[in-house]
Amino acid sequence: DAGITQSPRHKVTETGTPVTLRCHQTENHRYMYWYRQDPGHGLRLIHYSYGVKDTDKGEVSDGYSVSRSKTEDFLLTLESATSSQTSVYFCAISDRGNQPQHFGDGTRLSIL
Amino acid sequence: QKEVEQNSGPLSVPEGAIASLNCTYSDRGSQSFFWYRQYSGKSPELIMSIYSNGDKEDGRFTAQLNKASQYVSLLIRDSQPSDSATYLCAVNDFGNEKLTFGTGTRLTIIP
Repeated sequence: DAGITQSPRHKVTETGTPVTLRCHQTENHRYMYWYRQDPGHGLRLIHYSYGVKDTDKGEVSDGYSVSRSKTEDFLLTLESATSSQTSVYFCAISDRGNQPQHFGDGTRLSIL
Repeated sequence: QKEVEQNSGPLSVPEGAIASLNCTYSDRGSQSFFWYRQYSGKSPELIMSIYSNGDKEDGRFTAQLNKASQYVSLLIRDSQPSDSATYLCAVNDFGNEKLTFGTGTRLTIIP
């Protein structure tokens, strides 16, 4: 299995609080991605990174920011969490952009 | 807006039969195609990649790609109860670092 660790695995927090999710990889892959998965919507890309300090938006980026200061770490931040951001969040990595992505175990985030 | 469409299912197949999952995509520039399996409460797991027209076999799994008709399919032979899961189709365009996922087809294998 690809060496991808997401933390925390579960989190419950209140509306308006900041939340940071971490994705850590040991594969030295260039590309890292953050998705959310909701019933009826499938996997939707939030942000992705194509190198250290190089990031770009996905289709559902509003309300989220990311940072990548090291190859192995990609952080997703919800500056002020809202109930609509309750979801399961997956991190994925890829060696090259047109190659398959491999997923972490996910973070289940509940915002009350 | 690039789209990837899958039959939402659920699809029920008797144990030992062939399960057929289909996916169509809207962008003719698409170059790479992937099938993922996702068990309930788990993360997606890559099971097949296909890049050129035709069939690609891996054990009980066969991926079929037809770029002219813009569809990709996954056949599972000798279906087992452990194949019960949601199957996600994903498509990547040439020169694009992103995947577009379908919403998935839930497959149930009936013993």
